[in-house]
Amino acid sequence: QSALTQPPSVSGSPGQSVTISCTGTSSDAGSYDRVSWYQQPPGAAPKLMIYDVSNRPSGVPDRFSGSKSGDTASLTISGLQAEDEADYYCSSPTSTNTVLFGGGTKLTVL
Amino acid sequence: EVQLLESGGGLVQPGGSLRLSCAASGFTFSGHALSWVRQAPGKGLEWVSLISGSGNNPYYADSVKGRFTVSRDNSKNTLWLQMNSLRAEDTAIYYCAKRGSAWYNYDYWGQGTLVIVSS
Repeated sequence: QSALTQPPSVSGSPGQSVTISCTGTSSDAGSYDRVSWYQQPPGAAPKLMIYDVSNRPSGVPDRFSGSKSGDTASLTISGLQAEDEADYYCSSPTSTNTVLFGGGTKLTVL
Repeated sequence: EVQLLESGGGLVQPGGSLRLSCAASGFTFSGHALSWVRQAPGKGLEWVSLISGSGNNPYYADSVKGRFTVSRDNSKNTLWLQMNSLRAEDTAIYYCAKRGSAWYNYDYWGQGTLVIVSS
């Protein structure tokens, strides 16, 4: 039972924007200022898209953005493209030097 | 170019052991913490373990503590995961991942190696 809760699925049409939420449900879910987001296309390894809530690694399109409000972090993808269809996971460190992953959200581009 | 190549997966009986390897290249191996993350078939990601660049500080998920041991040889640019007392619920793709901006995020991942625990 993950301490980071994500919606199982979201969908959007090409060109639209979608937002995926990640809510901490445990006091040990760690600092929400350290949330990361990963993209995992079918059959591929995860790819880091956002770190420390809102920072993009080099090479990640600026269509991907992250934010946080209280205990909820969010990943927003604007200008949806077919290639964005994938599973998305949030993660956060804990106070005991482990890492929690959210349950994952399947993004479908209609 | 950073590369992480896992190997050692396979079919093992419950209660058995397996040793996974992750061969790294393209970065200063000793300067980066590394982790193992697994994914059961059709399921989400589960963090398994973390080891510091020096190899002195390993951490484990509760689900594998006491059964799995992470280690590294900085002279060989290799990370290992020794898995003992394997259970059916350990069946998963095991990824090695390199630390990104901090120990808790990962900027490079291998392609994974599949471990199946079944009789």
